[in-house]
Amino acid sequence: SQKIEQNSEALNIQEGKTATLTCNYTNYSPAYLQWYRQDPGRGPVFLLLIRENEKEKRKERLKVTFDTTLKQSLFHITASQPADSATYLCALDVGGPYNFNKFYFGSGTKLNVKP
Amino acid sequence: GAGVSQTPSNKVTEKGKYVELRCDPISGHTALYWYRQSLGQGPEFLIYFQGTGAADDSGLPNDRFFAVRPEGSVSTLKIQRTERGDSAVYLCASSSGGIDNEQFFGPGTRLTVL
Repeated sequence: SQKIEQNSEALNIQEGKTATLTCNYTNYSPAYLQWYRQDPGRGPVFLLLIRENEKEKRKERLKVTFDTTLKQSLFHITASQPADSATYLCALDVGGPYNFNKFYFGSGTKLNVKP
Repeated sequence: GAGVSQTPSNKVTEKGKYVELRCDPISGHTALYWYRQSLGQGPEFLIYFQGTGAADDSGLPNDRFFAVRPEGSVSTLKIQRTERGDSAVYLCASSSGGIDNEQFFGPGTRLTVL
């Protein structure tokens, strides 16, 4: 069956450390993958997109990798801050070549950054 | 500028009733999405509009769910004969496409079916 898996256990790290979150998928061949941040009671907020032909993408303290062989994306936050505490969601484009706008989300991983 | 808005923010209804949930997308965004999110889960795709037409409604769970976007802007998600299992947060997102196909989400409508 098709799955998008994110670690359901919360990730607790100390301020200043690098947080690494994982998104694994099976039986999809996404053209690209997005990462979103969601705070309690709010809608998700877009962070980064990475395409299938890109190995790595960076934006400020964020870094995303995409390994289509392993079917895995890693999301890194360097020099983490308590304000980074939130749930992080990955979203896969599953529409194929004729529907570029259909996305399936993982269940998200909650990140807690402690001061 | 104004983001995506959704009304009502909370809706409590009784089993068997009909509900309508409204989404006002960002002006000019041609793509509009509806998702459903249960506690501890990610958003679950329901339907995607491109302009006025539903480009993909494969995520609607059954024929009690229906969505419209008659003028290519505001969208309404309609749920008939609500069931307790319909209780969730219903999220709307809009997008202009763009290089990252970024979706802008509204705050959601929390639906509770008693």
